[in-house]
Amino acid sequence: GQNIDQPTEMTATEGAIVQINCTYQTSGFNGLFWYQQHAGEAPTFLSYNVLDGLEEKGRFSSFLSRSKGYSYLLLKELQMKDSASYLCAVLMNRDDKIIFGKGTRLHILP
Amino acid sequence: EPEVTQTPSHQVTQMGQEVILRCVPISNHLYFYWYRQILGQKVEFLVSFYNNEISEKSEIFDDQFSVERPDGSNFTLKIRSTKLEDSAMYFCASRSRTGGYSPLHFGNGTRLTVT
Repeated sequence: GQNIDQPTEMTATEGAIVQINCTYQTSGFNGLFWYQQHAGEAPTFLSYNVLDGLEEKGRFSSFLSRSKGYSYLLLKELQMKDSASYLCAVLMNRDDKIIFGKGTRLHILP
Repeated sequence: EPEVTQTPSHQVTQMGQEVILRCVPISNHLYFYWYRQILGQKVEFLVSFYNNEISEKSEIFDDQFSVERPDGSNFTLKIRSTKLEDSAMYFCASRSRTGGYSPLHFGNGTRLTVT
């Protein structure tokens, strides 16, 4: 079966840095997405990695190691509005199927 | 910025009834999806649709479910005979092209409540 694992919950302090890990075991791999989902809302796209290494986008960075089946999302200078769930998703084949992990609920403390 | 739109935002139906959830994907997108999210659980893949046919579907997407693109803009999900366990948020999503840097763009969802 397909497996995408993330921690269920994390807590961090406003202004700090947090790293959310994701490991995956899937029958195909053509890239990994990170999405943010606020409670009661739709997921919104944050980042995409297909090659090994770090992609930086403002306060958010995402890393991928294909050989280890591992990714992380790094959030810097945390703000209260970053309180949300962060979803790791794998593009399993070139065309179509994208499956999601259970998400990591991030709580930001003032 | 173009967006995916879904109607209705909330649908209440009785068990055994048919429901149709409607979506208008972003106009130049080619790949269309339905996902569902039961309250407090993960976003689950139901089906993907390309070139007027289903390209992938999950075990959840059984004979009770069907999808259709009746014209050049709408994309619908039909549940033939709803069950209590079909209560969930249903998200439509679209992508512009295959592979590469082409993320899913989600609509705001339809909350389906089956009583």
